[in-house]
Amino acid sequence: GQQLNQSPQSMFIQEGEDVSMNCTSSSIFNTWLWYKQDPGEGPVLLIALYKAGELTSNGRLTAQFGITRKDSFLNISASIPSDVGIYFCAGFGAGSYQLTFGKGTKLSVIP
Amino acid sequence: KAGVTQTPRYLIKTRGQQVTLSCSPISGHRSVSWYQQTPGQGLQFLFEYFSETQRNKGNFPGRFSGRQFSNSRSEMNVSTLELGDSALYLCASSRLGDSAHEQFFGPGTRLTVL
Repeated sequence: GQQLNQSPQSMFIQEGEDVSMNCTSSSIFNTWLWYKQDPGEGPVLLIALYKAGELTSNGRLTAQFGITRKDSFLNISASIPSDVGIYFCAGFGAGSYQLTFGKGTKLSVIP
Repeated sequence: KAGVTQTPRYLIKTRGQQVTLSCSPISGHRSVSWYQQTPGQGLQFLFEYFSETQRNKGNFPGRFSGRQFSNSRSEMNVSTLELGDSALYLCASSRLGDSAHEQFFGPGTRLTVL
């Protein structure tokens, strides 16, 4: 089946720093979604990407749909303590109703 | 607009029992998907329903089943529970059921099998 490789697995950063994480796939995806999950809660949708090359922002978050359609990136600028959590990339392959998830990036922010 | 709701939030069962979990999608959403989340395997797709029809099924044994009602509410059932079924079960709804559409998740049901 389709798999997404998400990196890094975890990050420790200072408050105020910028953060980058990415997801790659061996197959083409038509849609990329980025989620954040806090402990004991369901994932919350942050950004949705639908076109190759698309760059979309949501506040301090910016995500890009790679031009090869096999990767996506999420950047967080000027991190704050409430950014702590696990970030997941997810995507739909061509003609698929099955959302495939990466393993997640655990972000820790040091005040 | 109310989000996706799941009941119950927590459940403790013993091996061999069966369990039914419930999901109410966002109003107007017709597609409901179910996922199992464990520390080892991450988020894994169970199945997806649209207009009461299962359109896609993940790689889980037949003990895992689901259904969707005419009001788009969905239930999933796990029979003959095993210890490895302990997980967070998440439901997500999507407006159009289009393969490219955003999915919104509920808070999940934490199932513990003893």
